[in-house]
Amino acid sequence: QVQLQGSGPGLLRPSETLSLTCGVSDSSINSGYSWTWIRQSPGKGPEWIGSLYRRGKTYYNPSLKSRVTISSDTFKNQFSLSLTSVTAADTGVYFCVRSDCSGSSCFIDYWGQGALVTVSS
Amino acid sequence: QSVLTQPPSVSGAPGQRVTISCTGSNSNLGPGSHIHWYQHVPGTAPKLLIYDYTNRPSGVPDRFSGSRSATSASLAISGLQAEDEADYYCQSYDNNLSVLYVFGGGTKVTVL
Repeated sequence: QVQLQGSGPGLLRPSETLSLTCGVSDSSINSGYSWTWIRQSPGKGPEWIGSLYRRGKTYYNPSLKSRVTISSDTFKNQFSLSLTSVTAADTGVYFCVRSDCSGSSCFIDYWGQGALVTVSS
Repeated sequence: QSVLTQPPSVSGAPGQRVTISCTGSNSNLGPGSHIHWYQHVPGTAPKLLIYDYTNRPSGVPDRFSGSRSATSASLAISGLQAEDEADYYCQSYDNNLSVLYVFGGGTKVTVL
């Protein structure tokens, strides 16, 4: 059973950098799947942050692109999210997920539990 | 404001059938689009219910079914059970916004 476990600081001050890491079990991040970060702010629907594909290709949400970096560590079989200059609007639950993509169809077949991140002064 | 629109809540008695709609535009629910549905019990990891409008992953009961029409999609739950009480989200891709994943705002299903 594929498992994803996100980890990182739960409380940040405004202007700091959010850093999260997702450890993956029973699936190689070098495989043909996409590795993605999704977040959900209180009372809202999920929001796509960005995705990592094989050979290090990345795609980011245009609304966050200037502040986001997604990278991977193939030896540790994990991928990471960096989001700079956070504000209270970045508060929410951050999910790391695995996606199965074919053409323009990408669906999420495995989700991590989610990591709560709070931005507050 | 989510790109895809869902009703905030639906409810039904055990054994009843409920449907959840998901509406959008030509850029995310038009020809060639793909809609997927997820179930989320707060505090747990969300779960894939339906992919590519109508397909169920293995292990998902056939009480859950998906359908599409024009620029909308629907998820139906037949024979509603207490364990179906959860939040449900639709998801697609938007080629106008260059956003790989767009979601609905979610529908809370309450079993009366």
